[in-house]
Amino acid sequence: GEDVEQSLFLSVREGDSSVINCTYTDSSSTYLYWYKQEPGAGLQLLTYIFSNMDMKQDQRLTVLLNKKDKHLSLRIADTQTGDSAIYFCAEEPDRGSTLGRLYFGRGTQLTVWP
Amino acid sequence: AAGVIQSPRHLIKEKRETATLKCYPIPRHDTVYWYQQGPGQDPQFLISFYEKMQSDKGSIPDRFSAQQFSDYHSELNMSSLELGDSALYFCASSTRQALGGNTIYFGEGSWLTVV
Repeated sequence: GEDVEQSLFLSVREGDSSVINCTYTDSSSTYLYWYKQEPGAGLQLLTYIFSNMDMKQDQRLTVLLNKKDKHLSLRIADTQTGDSAIYFCAEEPDRGSTLGRLYFGRGTQLTVWP
Repeated sequence: AAGVIQSPRHLIKEKRETATLKCYPIPRHDTVYWYQQGPGQDPQFLISFYEKMQSDKGSIPDRFSAQQFSDYHSELNMSSLELGDSALYFCASSTRQALGGNTIYFGEGSWLTVV
């Protein structure tokens, strides 16, 4: 089955850049997603990247995709204390008519120190 | 912008009782998904519906059932509740795009506690 791996914890100082890494297994994955979850809250779609791209930038967020190595990363520039949350990487394998089933990693707890 | 609306946000039930969760997708979204997130776990796919028909089924217990109605809202029915059903239940919605993919937006979730 699909196996999405992420490191569980990351701590950074406010103002520094954060890089959260993820590896996935299904080479057919069409979209790869990053979601943010704050304590007791829902899953907020941060950004996504289509599998035929290798980079996507959205304000402070940069997503890099290495399809050969099945490696995805999320870089947050100028990290703020409000960025402290759990970040989930998710892959969406291309199964034809059953698009939309996401496989999530265990999440990376990002802690930002003032 | 309108988001995915879930109700209730919190629910406490006793073992062996029944619970129903509701989900209202983003307007014009035709696909609804249900996920279950246990404490400290990643979300796990349960079931999805496309144009009111079940389109995919994951690790949904037989005690659970779901449907999507003509107005595209969906309900997840859970019977004979067990302590292990305590979790955050997410609904998500999307619409198929021309390229064949779709972006998936999640609701805030419904917290179910079984006591």
